[in-house]
Amino acid sequence: EAQVTQNPRYLITVTGKKLTVTCSQNMNHEYMSWYRQDPGLGLRQIYYSMNVEVTDKGDVPEGYKVSRKEKRNFPLILESPSPNQTSLYFCASSRREYEKLFFGSGTQLSVL
Amino acid sequence: EDQVTQSPEALRLQEGESSSLNCSYTVSGLRGLFWYRQDPGKGPEFLFTLYSAGEEKEKERLKATLTKKESFLHITAPKPEDSATYLCAVWETSGSRLTFGEGTQLTVNP
Repeated sequence: EAQVTQNPRYLITVTGKKLTVTCSQNMNHEYMSWYRQDPGLGLRQIYYSMNVEVTDKGDVPEGYKVSRKEKRNFPLILESPSPNQTSLYFCASSRREYEKLFFGSGTQLSVL
Repeated sequence: EDQVTQSPEALRLQEGESSSLNCSYTVSGLRGLFWYRQDPGKGPEFLFTLYSAGEEKEKERLKATLTKKESFLHITAPKPEDSATYLCAVWETSGSRLTFGEGTQLTVNP
């Protein structure tokens, strides 16, 4: 089944403790992206990747890192999480830029 | 600055009561306009892509239309299972991201 898989589904952590949210797609897509969703603010892009080894900042990149060493994987790294990063995170992929995005099921992160 | 504005924020309908959701956008050049459906606690699910003014797409009870400044999602004779948040998003020609509106939360009562 074609899908975007994120893990974990739920995560509670404390301020400053490094964490990684994994994202993998099995559709051989070139484009991958991370979004966060907050009430009243909608979906905002954190980082995107046009293809392997090429990544760039979105609208809200501060406090986040990404890497795209393989086509299928695009992990989101929070080196030192803070409470304002408490949010619902979505990974998404598309065959290429400008095409429809397929979304993962989301990761609900709480930073205490 | 690119903007995508959806209205209304929330809409309550009775089963069978048709209505429309609006998405207005201001971008320097439109590459595509997308509609998604999002159920609580889940990722957005793709519905339609529209590329040029005058284009229309249909799927079951949903019909999406596009003008140069806005898009409408028409819902004909909705059912309770159509209850969800509907998101509009645009790809701008000079950007590398899909910019989302805040969504319309639709509730259809039986």
